[in-house]
Amino acid sequence: EPEVTQTPSHQVTQMGQEVILRCVPISNHLYFYWYRQILGQKVEFLVSFYNNEISEKSEIFDDQFSVERPDGSNFTLKIRSTKLEDSAMYFCASSRDGVSYEQYFGPGTRLTVT
Amino acid sequence: QQQVKQSPQSLIVQKGGIPIINCAYENTAFDYFPWYQQFPGKGPALLIAIRPDVSEKKEGRFTISFNKSAKQFSLHIMDSQPGDSATYFCAANHKTQGGSEKLVFGKGTKLTVNP
Repeated sequence: EPEVTQTPSHQVTQMGQEVILRCVPISNHLYFYWYRQILGQKVEFLVSFYNNEISEKSEIFDDQFSVERPDGSNFTLKIRSTKLEDSAMYFCASSRDGVSYEQYFGPGTRLTVT
Repeated sequence: QQQVKQSPQSLIVQKGGIPIINCAYENTAFDYFPWYQQFPGKGPALLIAIRPDVSEKKEGRFTISFNKSAKQFSLHIMDSQPGDSATYFCAANHKTQGGSEKLVFGKGTKLTVNP
């Protein structure tokens, strides 16, 4: 069964450093998303991406964040200058189209900012 | 109002019991209501989902009941098993201006099924 994959599974970085989280969505999916989940809290929407551009972003997704689809398979989230409060699980998700509504999530990357 | 309110926060049942998790929403623009199951250290996994023109959907031991007029929906797990112990999130889908979907999640319910 196709699945969303994410790397790395755990990333530790120092405050102020840049990190790039990587995702490989399901191959025939067209819509891509990033969510985050601070420990013990709910999953929060960050950004959606379609046709090589951002469709929508939340207020969390400020200028420190960017997303890119550098090739036909990867989807990345970059945090330019990490802060302590960026520590969270980051989930990538993908959906086939704008009709199916079914978003499939990857296993997540645990980001720890020290 | 882009919120989904979920209760209870935690739930403990005995094996074979029927845990019920409730969610409520305000935004009538939500057009799809999925439930996700999450095990520790894993991503949310789509469990079952319902559209607002249907009052009930059943898949195996999992049933969603949907009350459009009350803007409430709930998940029932029949004959619950210890392996069902997980955190359950309700969510609501909102179609964005860009044409993609955005899921708004409830805060989650930690379910424990004792043997």
